[in-house]
Amino acid sequence: NAGVTQTPKFRVLKTGQSMTLLCAQDMNHEYMYWYRQDPGMGLRLIHYSVGEGTTAKGEVPDGYNVSRLKKQNFLLGLESAAPSQTSVYFCASSSAPGPGELFFGEGSRLTVL
Amino acid sequence: AQKITQTQPGMFVQEKEAVTLDCTYDTSDPSYGLFWYKQPSSGEMIFLIYQGSYDQQNATEGRYSLNFQKARKSANLVISASQLGDSAMYFCAMRVYSSASKIIFGSGTRLSIRP
Repeated sequence: NAGVTQTPKFRVLKTGQSMTLLCAQDMNHEYMYWYRQDPGMGLRLIHYSVGEGTTAKGEVPDGYNVSRLKKQNFLLGLESAAPSQTSVYFCASSSAPGPGELFFGEGSRLTVL
Repeated sequence: AQKITQTQPGMFVQEKEAVTLDCTYDTSDPSYGLFWYKQPSSGEMIFLIYQGSYDQQNATEGRYSLNFQKARKSANLVISASQLGDSAMYFCAMRVYSSASKIIFGSGTRLSIRP
């Protein structure tokens, strides 16, 4: 039962470097989401997708790009990392229709020096 | 605009007591869902309970119940007979079904259960 898998789990970057976080789900879910979690701020939505080939901006999209070329994968990219992007990143997916509770990955801890 | 507010950053409760975690929301859309998630210190996100905006009765799942007051736009989580394992962060979330299923979260409440 893989569910939602995020890679990598941990990463340290230098300011200005780029990287991609990969999220893969095996539940055939239509919707996928990227959140960041910072102390005292809960989870904030970065980008989300309602189906293959679609993406939309969330609450804090600046500095991030996403792609959903395949239904099961949702990629989050940082083109030029900044210390303010140090955070724990969560990917989640949900089905449609229905209540649509989120199924989360284990999180990816990113540190930007 | 949609918004979720959790006004209790932290709470301490004695074991076996009931506890209520507050959540208020704001949306002008009539069709939405409200969720509660638990995040223990290990970091994973655990789905607890769901309430739809058109549901007539308050949702219940074991020791968890959702006190849904639509007119007040509140969706408080009630945990009965708290246990040490309930110590965790708790997040309220909302999904508005007409706005492309964006799901937003509150800032969370850290619940600590005292033995």
